[in-house]
Amino acid sequence: ETGVTQTPRHLVMGMTNKKSLKCEQHLGHNAMYWYKQSAKKPLELMFVYSLEERVENNSVPSRFSPECPNSSHLFLHLHTLQPEDSALYLCASSQDLIQLIIAGELFFGEGSRLTVL
Amino acid sequence: SQQGEEDPQALSIQEGENATMNCSYKTSINNLQWYRQNSGRGLVHLILIRSNEREKHSGRLRVTLDTSKKSSSLLITASRAADTASYFCASSYSGGYQKVTFGIGTKLQVIP
Repeated sequence: ETGVTQTPRHLVMGMTNKKSLKCEQHLGHNAMYWYKQSAKKPLELMFVYSLEERVENNSVPSRFSPECPNSSHLFLHLHTLQPEDSALYLCASSQDLIQLIIAGELFFGEGSRLTVL
Repeated sequence: SQQGEEDPQALSIQEGENATMNCSYKTSINNLQWYRQNSGRGLVHLILIRSNEREKHSGRLRVTLDTSKKSSSLLITASRAADTASYFCASSYSGGYQKVTFGIGTKLQVIP
């Protein structure tokens, strides 16, 4: 198993659908993140979870709903999305938020390519 | 915004040449990292440099940091076709809790 696994790798959905993206990390990390990557834009930090508690909601619309049932799993629930939400959604983890200061390393999954029709 | 900006946005070189990418950021940082992303894949951490360091090496990679200019550079020496990827700088700073923000990236093409 790779360190951070994301499913599905590709998702096509209509604007009225409800779907979920899943992320699982096998690294024993305590912090997990959702990033959005759109063409020609910087990676946008969406949500941060530390020890299963959300510590950041970076002004993300409510049509994106994160869930972190335990420190190994992170979900992003999607409903009534817009075509401009089409992007690569990347999950990442780090040892913890404090370790990010020392080691600064994020471990990324391969991403879920989302297309909203 | 803390977001870094990479320069150039695209770079095409011949195999064996050196590739230099630059990054600028806006506020004080704890450290700066460089990541690599193959097309449509996740990002992979390459190297980290702390705010009190000026230069760091890892294999064919050399990173410099100039905190007075709020800039960093990544040098890849003796490039290979397999180095073709996008490279991102990420600045890490404390804003309530530790945050990592990324730039747009430099798309590097190494021609065999």
